[in-house]
Amino acid sequence: QVQLQESGPGLVKPSETLSLTCTVSGGPITTYYWSWIRQPPGKGLEWIGYIYYSGTTNYNPSLKNRVTMSVDTSKNQLSLKLSSVTAADTAVYYCARALGSLPYMDVWGKGTTVTVSS
Amino acid sequence: QSALTQPASVSGSPGQSITISCTGTSSDVGGYNYVSWYQQHPGKVPKLMIYGVSDRPSGVSNRFSGSKSGNTASLTISGLQADDEADYYCTSYTSSTTYVFGTGTKVTVL
Repeated sequence: QVQLQESGPGLVKPSETLSLTCTVSGGPITTYYWSWIRQPPGKGLEWIGYIYYSGTTNYNPSLKNRVTMSVDTSKNQLSLKLSSVTAADTAVYYCARALGSLPYMDVWGKGTTVTVSS
Repeated sequence: QSALTQPASVSGSPGQSITISCTGTSSDVGGYNYVSWYQQHPGKVPKLMIYGVSDRPSGVSNRFSGSKSGNTASLTISGLQADDEADYYCTSYTSSTTYVFGTGTKVTVL
């Protein structure tokens, strides 16, 4: 079955850019929408945005100015970049497959913890 | 966009039914039948429990049901079991074509 695996640095310095990759295995990256979601320690879920396999993106308005998502269909990989990070960006970051362009995320990665600290 | 409003906690005894509310606006919950619910056990990955307001993915118990009235969606868990103890989040599509999560509800089985 489809599996998602997030990867990237666990520690990022303030003001730098957070970069994560999500590798999709066991199924196609095409025909699906792919979301990034984050969860600060002890807090709730926050939708960051989604990307369609064609490259179409849609971002959370509160993060729009700092977020860039991309897709590499040849590698079955998604990427997330979040610039000018602060401590408030410390969170577990998840990638998830969505059923259409709707908030129905049926397959999730295990998540990766990113801490923003000097 | 503001997070959808959920009660911080709901509790019930085994076998009872509980309902979790998710209140938004006419620009999200009230405007579309695109509400989903997720269950998250401590330290675990969220799991899709309900989509399209009231549809259940394959494998999800029929003890979980969803509904909507106006700007408020609801998740009902009937025949409460110990394993239902978890955090629950609603999500809705919005008029900006984005998604918004609820604030989350901790369900405690007494």
